Amino acid sequence: DAKTTQPNSMESNEEEPVHLPCNHSTISGTDYIHWYRQLPSQGPEYVIHGLTSNVNNRMASLAIAEDRKSSTLILHRATLRDAAVYYCILGLDTGANSKLTFGKGITLSVRP
Amino acid sequence: GAVVSQHPSRVICKSGTSVKIECRSLDFQATTMFWYRQFPKQSLMLMATSNEGSKATYEQGVEKDKFLINHASLTLSTLTVTSAHPEDSSFYICSALWTSGGAWEADTQYFGPGTRLTVL
Repeated sequence: DAKTTQPNSMESNEEEPVHLPCNHSTISGTDYIHWYRQLPSQGPEYVIHGLTSNVNNRMASLAIAEDRKSSTLILHRATLRDAAVYYCILGLDTGANSKLTFGKGITLSVRP
Repeated sequence: GAVVSQHPSRVICKSGTSVKIECRSLDFQATTMFWYRQFPKQSLMLMATSNEGSKATYEQGVEKDKFLINHASLTLSTLTVTSAHPEDSSFYICSALWTSGGAWEADTQYFGPGTRLTVL
């Protein structure tokens, strides 16, 4: 399985933008880049996913490098509720092949 | 949309008993569901892939006779932990796969809130 590398942790200030990096140098052409986040004692929450082009939704933006070997999840204005573990995961696109392998993720702390 | 529920949210049982956990996709149909387990301060580990109308596919090292999975409908999958022991105490999380139907869109897993199992 293609692997991702994320820093262990990051701190941010409330109401400031946050850029969470992810390296995936062995990504294959069919791998999608998925981001999930998990609050303590809760199931993971889908954030965003993309293949080649940058993506935006109501939660975040995903910036994908041109060579697809890295990506950045952007939270435009961090709130205290954004404090969570963020997972960057590569996955195939359909059906049972969509299974996800979770790494350790990056723990985001948000300072008031 | 894309809401997945789990029941119960928390269960405490005695060693040797069996526990059933339900996973439901509330607003979409899911041919495929997944079951994960998460120990304290660790990441999620995939246990098995559940396919509606067929046998589940278990990951290496997961005992299929201990963790029984039944995906009887397009909105319900159940995980039964048989003869539970204290080492089975964990946070069990399911996900349901939402299928985009598009050629260039990824299917997306939506997760339930998890079930905390404590075996005494």
